[in-house]
Amino acid sequence: ETGVTQSPTHLIKTRGQQVTLRCSSQSGHNTVSWYQQALGQGPQFIFQYYREEENGRGNFPPRFSGLQFPNYSSELNVNALELDDSALYLCASSPWNGQASYEQYFGPGTRLTVT
Amino acid sequence: KQEVTQIPAALSVPEGENLVLNCSFTDSAIYNLQWFRQDPGKGLTSLLLIQSSQREQTSGRLNASLDKSSGRSTLYIAASQPGDSATYLCAVMTGANNLFFGTGTRLTVIP
Repeated sequence: ETGVTQSPTHLIKTRGQQVTLRCSSQSGHNTVSWYQQALGQGPQFIFQYYREEENGRGNFPPRFSGLQFPNYSSELNVNALELDDSALYLCASSPWNGQASYEQYFGPGTRLTVT
Repeated sequence: KQEVTQIPAALSVPEGENLVLNCSFTDSAIYNLQWFRQDPGKGLTSLLLIQSSQREQTSGRLNASLDKSSGRSTLYIAASQPGDSATYLCAVMTGANNLFFGTGTRLTVIP
């Protein structure tokens, strides 16, 4: 069974640019959540996708957007990058059924540096 | 709004010692609580998941307890080893199926 994978591992961008991060969910999981972890902080919830629809969003501006594909993989897009967007971006998948709670399984993360 | 606090922020212990990490949360309406381990610059490894109806979970040298009514959880690590050195994060899941994390406890086990 393949776990959660993310690409790329590291990324360096310039302020004002746009970036796309990718996540492949664990086999059989239909839900993907994205988190941002700044240095020395705990991860913060960005948004979640369930069956290709956004299903909840944290306190992040609209320039953070996402997609989920029919195979349940997902993308996180960030427009107009700011220096404060530098962080480790984590994605997590789970086999959520819309009701009960399930364990979330995390990928290794993408380290984004904005200069 | 759910807030999760972890105390202490950092802890240094000699090898072999038993230790307890603390986690508290402000809203007791949670579905579950997870403890994670994070090595520097790496992703999260799930250690233990406690459902809201459970009081504790054990895995090897790790034991996690949950007191939902008081908004508290503890992670007990027995006979600590240098390989246990990492940051430990607790997170609570809300009805929206997302996790609220604490800022972590950075553990150093000295050989």
